[in-house]
Amino acid sequence: GGIITQTPKFLIGQEGQKLTLKCQQNFNHDTMYWYRQDSGKGLRLIYYSITENDLQKGDLSEGYDASREKKSSFSLTVTSAQKNEMAVFLCASSNRRGATQYFGPGTRLLVL
Amino acid sequence: GDSVTQTEGLVTLTEGLPVMLNCTYQSTYSPFLFWYVQHLNEAPKLLLKSFTDNKRPEHQGFHATLHKSSSSFHLQKSSAQLSDSALYYCALSAYNAGAKLTFGGGTRLTVRP
Repeated sequence: GGIITQTPKFLIGQEGQKLTLKCQQNFNHDTMYWYRQDSGKGLRLIYYSITENDLQKGDLSEGYDASREKKSSFSLTVTSAQKNEMAVFLCASSNRRGATQYFGPGTRLLVL
Repeated sequence: GDSVTQTEGLVTLTEGLPVMLNCTYQSTYSPFLFWYVQHLNEAPKLLLKSFTDNKRPEHQGFHATLHKSSSSFHLQKSSAQLSDSALYYCALSAYNAGAKLTFGGGTRLTVRP
C-alpha cells in the first residue's frame, strides 16, 4: 500500500497573496494531479504531471502554477489569491490508463 | 472532447430503498468507466470500475453495468444504508488520455432512517 500526504491541511491567505500547497506520494506512481473541489462543481483538473519535471495544463490552470520537483512530490501555487475564495484542493496519483487514482486528504483554502 | 454527465446533483432516499445514480458519457473510443465515493471529510476513493469483457463490477453491494449502446454506467444498489450517504463521482479514462480521468459533476446521496 501507499499514502498521499498534503500540506498544509488548512491554509488561510490574504487577497493577492501567493500561496503554495505541497503533495507527497509513496506509491512510486508516475502521474500526479491537482484538482480543485467546489461545492456543486465536482472535481476540476488544474495541472497534472506524467513524470518528473513534466507539466500538463488541465481545464482550470489559469491563476495557478505547478512544479514536479521529483517523482514523489508535486507542488501547486496559487499565484494571486482571490478575496473570499474558498475551496478544497486535492492531490492524486496513478499509473497506467485504467488504473485507480489515489487521493490525498486535501488542503482547505480560505482567502480573507 | 470527452465528458461525463451526472444528471442528479442531490438524491435523498429512505433506508432500505433501492439506489440508482445516473452516469452517461461521451468519448470517441471505448473508455474505462469508474465510480468514486467521497464520505464527509474524507478523500475520494475508488468504488468500482468497468471491465473490458462486459463483466459487472460489484463492491460493497454496489454494482454498475457499462452499456456502450447508450453510453451509460449507472450505479445501483438494491437496498440503501445510512452509511451510503456520500458524494459519488462518475469518471472516464479516455483511450488517448493516458492515466488522466474526466469526472462528472458528482451526486450527493443522503440516506435517511
